[in-house]
This record gives sequence, structure tokens and C-alpha cells, in this order.
Amino acid sequence: KNEVEQSPQNLTAQEGEFITINCSYSVGISALHWLQQHPGGGIVSLFMLSSGKKKHGRLIATINIQEKHSSLHITASHPRDSAVYICAYSGGGADGLTFGKGTHLIIQP
Amino acid sequence: DVKVTQSSRYLVKRTGEKVFLECVQDMDHENMFWYRQDPGLGLRLIYFSYDVKMKEKGDIPEGYSVSREKKERFSLILESASTNQTSMYLCASSLNSGTGYEQYFGPGTRLTVT
Repeated sequence: KNEVEQSPQNLTAQEGEFITINCSYSVGISALHWLQQHPGGGIVSLFMLSSGKKKHGRLIATINIQEKHSSLHITASHPRDSAVYICAYSGGGADGLTFGKGTHLIIQP
Repeated sequence: DVKVTQSSRYLVKRTGEKVFLECVQDMDHENMFWYRQDPGLGLRLIYFSYDVKMKEKGDIPEGYSVSREKKERFSLILESASTNQTSMYLCASSLNSGTGYEQYFGPGTRLTVT
């Protein structure tokens, strides 16, 4: 049983579209992470948040702690945004992350 | 810039061999992690360490052990490699800030066991 559910699993969109990826989890958490993985394997942390909203460039992440739900938005999407986006949570302390299975995003020019 | 390096990008080993995967971070992070990533299963935690010589089992520790003799280095050991350990292995590190922390990942080692 995966404790982190992401949707959609796959998403193909046209350049310039507004993108939303959703993440739901079922347990209490200390922080929610959004990660990006490009072909070739490298994983980069985009956001870590425990409440509210964060913005970095064209990326916005929100979290609703009561509903146990987070969203990642990409405005004015670009082909270089094509990647796998992974949602994960940390329970606190030094323990590792629990991951969703990822959303494979393709932005077509 | 935080840098997490892994000893090999690609590795091919035979069944039964002892395999060492090395990870080094240069930012004095307390926490280090080993994950494996498999299609359809995503990333899963194998082991983690929050201090030198300390280790904790993750979700899938069977068939693996780890060593952390120095703060910057965390090794994953496959005592007797098996074909079901063919996978992408990712190391990560982070500060220990209590309530939440950003993890920095290495480039990964794609291990094939034949």
C-alpha cells in the first residue's frame, strides 16, 4: 500500500499551458517535498513545505495539512520542464522520505 | 553548492559477488540515506544514518548492510548480490533540523547483477 498517491501518472501538454500535479497522503507528516528527476537519473529538490504555499520562478507548491493534499503548479510550461515530478513526505527527525510513484510530464513545443 | 557523489554511474556484477557502493557528501550533513528506484515501485528507503557509526533500517533492508565510519561517507554493501538487486541506487544527504530538511541526491548508480 503506497501512502503517497500522485495524479496524474502521465501528463502531456502543449508549451505554455498551466500544469497541475496532485499529491495525497494518508499519515501525519512534518514536511512535504516536491522533487524533479530528469532522464539520466539526477534528482533535484524543488520545494519542501509544511504549510501554505511556496513559489520559485514559474513553479508553485501548495499544501493543505487538514486535507492531507499538496499540489505542484507550473505556469507557462516549457519543454525543458519535461521530467518526472515526485512527491514525498518526511515524518520528522532523521528518517528518510516516503515517495509517490511520480508524474511523468512531457511538454510539447 | 552541496555535492553528493557516488563512486560509479554504472556497475555490472555477478550473482554472489560482494558489492560496495560508495557515497560522499561535502557539506558536513549529519544525515545520509540510501534508496533504490525501480520502475513501477518508485523510490524506497534501504538504510539511513544520522551520525557516524549509527545506522537505521529503512523499508527494504534485507540483503543490504551499510557502513558509516566518517561523517562524509556512507557505504552500501550487498553481501551476496542477487539478480533482484538490479536497480538504480541513489544516495542522499541532509542536515538534521528536527522537523524537516531538504535532501540532496547523488547522481545514482545503475547496478546490474547477472
